[in-house]
Amino acid sequence: QKEVEQNSGPLSVPEGAIASLNCTYSDRVSQSFFWYRQYSGKSPELIMSIYSNGDKEDGRFTAQLNKASQYVSLLIRDSQPSDSATYLCAVNPQAAGNKLTFGGGTRVLVKP
Amino acid sequence: NAGVMQNPRHLVRRRGQEARLRCSPMKGHSHVYWYRQLPEEGLKFMVYLQKENIIDESGMPKERFSAEFPKEGPSILRIQQVVRGDSAAYFCASSPGAPQETQYFGPGTRLLVL
Repeated sequence: QKEVEQNSGPLSVPEGAIASLNCTYSDRVSQSFFWYRQYSGKSPELIMSIYSNGDKEDGRFTAQLNKASQYVSLLIRDSQPSDSATYLCAVNPQAAGNKLTFGGGTRVLVKP
Repeated sequence: NAGVMQNPRHLVRRRGQEARLRCSPMKGHSHVYWYRQLPEEGLKFMVYLQKENIIDESGMPKERFSAEFPKEGPSILRIQQVVRGDSAAYFCASSPGAPQETQYFGPGTRLLVL
């Protein structure tokens, strides 16, 4: 079992719709969770961090965390063509120090 | 711009040569991380450093790879006797200092081994 799992996609979403991305992780002691966006040929760019169960909203983005289910998700509202990218879920397990474990990423394609 | 800086952005080496990748963290950040992204693969942790200390090198290949973060100057990732399988994007990230804090990524160095 991979430590951090994501559906590779592509997730095709019409412009203006909601994109829903999911991520599961295996290490129960994980304490902090991050979503990064990576355009092709570019570096990861932080979208959101979340540490507590529940929802966290920032503009068009909402992260949801459920530690009991070992599940973290990202919603992108009013999707735009510029949101077309690969979205990386990253987990920082407290017991393992300060390194990030990344999922394989979900490719999102927003169609005009 | 006080972002994470990496150079060179692109590096071409022939098999057997040495590659040196440099990373300057964001202003005020004292923790540096190196990650590697092989073609069509995910990001993998390599090493975590603070000034003059390697904190976690559990992701570093056992041979040919080394990293340092001296008291003065940038962090260096050094790959000796490069092989074609080393061709990848190498990203540096930095964080302010406390555990669990967000890591911000630099633009990366794309290494191509011929």
